[in-house]
Amino acid sequence: AQSVTQLGSHVSVSEGALVLLRCNYSSSVPPYLFWYVQYPNQGLQLLLKYTSAATLVKGINGFEAEFKKSETSFHLTKPSAHMSDAAEYFCAVSDRGGGFKTIFGAGTRLFVKA
Amino acid sequence: DTAVSQTPKYLVTQMGNDKSIKCEQNLGHDTMYWYKQDSKKFLKIMFSYNNKELIINETVPNRFSPKSPDKAHLNLHINSLELGDSAVYFCASSLRPDMNTEAFFGQGTRLTVV
Repeated sequence: AQSVTQLGSHVSVSEGALVLLRCNYSSSVPPYLFWYVQYPNQGLQLLLKYTSAATLVKGINGFEAEFKKSETSFHLTKPSAHMSDAAEYFCAVSDRGGGFKTIFGAGTRLFVKA
Repeated sequence: DTAVSQTPKYLVTQMGNDKSIKCEQNLGHDTMYWYKQDSKKFLKIMFSYNNKELIINETVPNRFSPKSPDKAHLNLHINSLELGDSAVYFCASSLRPDMNTEAFFGQGTRLTVV
């Protein structure tokens, strides 16, 4: 069965600093991996997804993530944080072993300090 | 036009009541979902329908009953509400149930049972 672990329930960075949100997955077959963002009182929206094409995936708002099979990781990065990036970020995985289910991580709250 | 809309946005009700949450998507998607997000932001799938057929039915109390009158609608009815049902319920849709298909989320319904 697939699973997702997000390291750190809270991450705080200064405006302009690098953002790094960690995600490790467990899957018995090649997975599909997603990052979603949730702004306060909103639903989730897709930032980017990995579907076995390029291992470095670029998403919206300047975010990108790299799929590393050897480390079973899919960390999310952004070179320079902006105040508007403050939100909850969810990593998610789905694979054939899970049927049609996408499993979400517990989320990481990103705080951006001025 | 809102892609995935759910009503109501807020719902406060007493224990033992029966309530419904409605969801509609205008994206022409085949697949719709209900997720529950608890107070710790953990997101868990409850149900999924594809072309009005139930394809995912997680272990939830049978007090929860989804209904899909057509592809564009997926409603959630909850009988005999309990305190532990308090959460944010998200409706979502995707083009198809494939594992690599992104989901589009509604804004959520915050259910508070008192």
